[in-house]
Amino acid sequence: DVKVTQSSRYLVKRTGEKVFLECVQDMDHENMFWYRQDPGLGLRLIYFSYDVKMKEKGDIPEGYSVSREKKERFSLILESASTNQTSMYLCASSLQGISYEQYFGPGTRLTVT
Amino acid sequence: DAKTTQPTSMDCAEGRAANLPCNHSTISGNEYVYWYRQIHSQGPQYIIHGLKNNETNEMASLIITEDRKSSTLILPHATLRDTAVYYCIVRVSNSGYALNFGKGTSLLVTP
Repeated sequence: DVKVTQSSRYLVKRTGEKVFLECVQDMDHENMFWYRQDPGLGLRLIYFSYDVKMKEKGDIPEGYSVSREKKERFSLILESASTNQTSMYLCASSLQGISYEQYFGPGTRLTVT
Repeated sequence: DAKTTQPTSMDCAEGRAANLPCNHSTISGNEYVYWYRQIHSQGPQYIIHGLKNNETNEMASLIITEDRKSSTLILPHATLRDTAVYYCIVRVSNSGYALNFGKGTSLLVTP
């Protein structure tokens, strides 16, 4: 079975802190994604990566950056956390030719105070 | 991507079939129908997809009308663990990378 793991289930950070969210997948998938999920807004794509060191902006990249140094790991970075970044963050991965079949991690609920 | 319309919520008795409808009247010829679900406190899970033929796998069946303007996801024997939000997504197979989940249908399976 595909397994996507995220470094934390719950995280509390202060405004202005730099925050790292880590995601690891064990199925050698080329594509990896970061979404955030907010009530009433559904899932929104922040960034995705289709290969090591490659990244593309999603719908809401402002305030975020990403890093993919190894195929299995995709990191989301909040350079200076703000309260409006309080959200559920979900990581996903998929095979290159099958981007519609995405495997999601359990999510990280981030609270910025 | 075509817009989809789903009921906000549905109930189903345990052991009965759960039939979840989705309208996608503006679907174009090369767009597929995908279904995901999200159980509370978990990430979304892929269920099934189809183009125009009915599809079945170990989780569910997908029935697509002949005009492709609507579809129904069928969970043949719903269990309490099927309580989740179910999302119907329409898009070209490999266009872009994001999945537009919309609001979905909250299915409650009751004992």
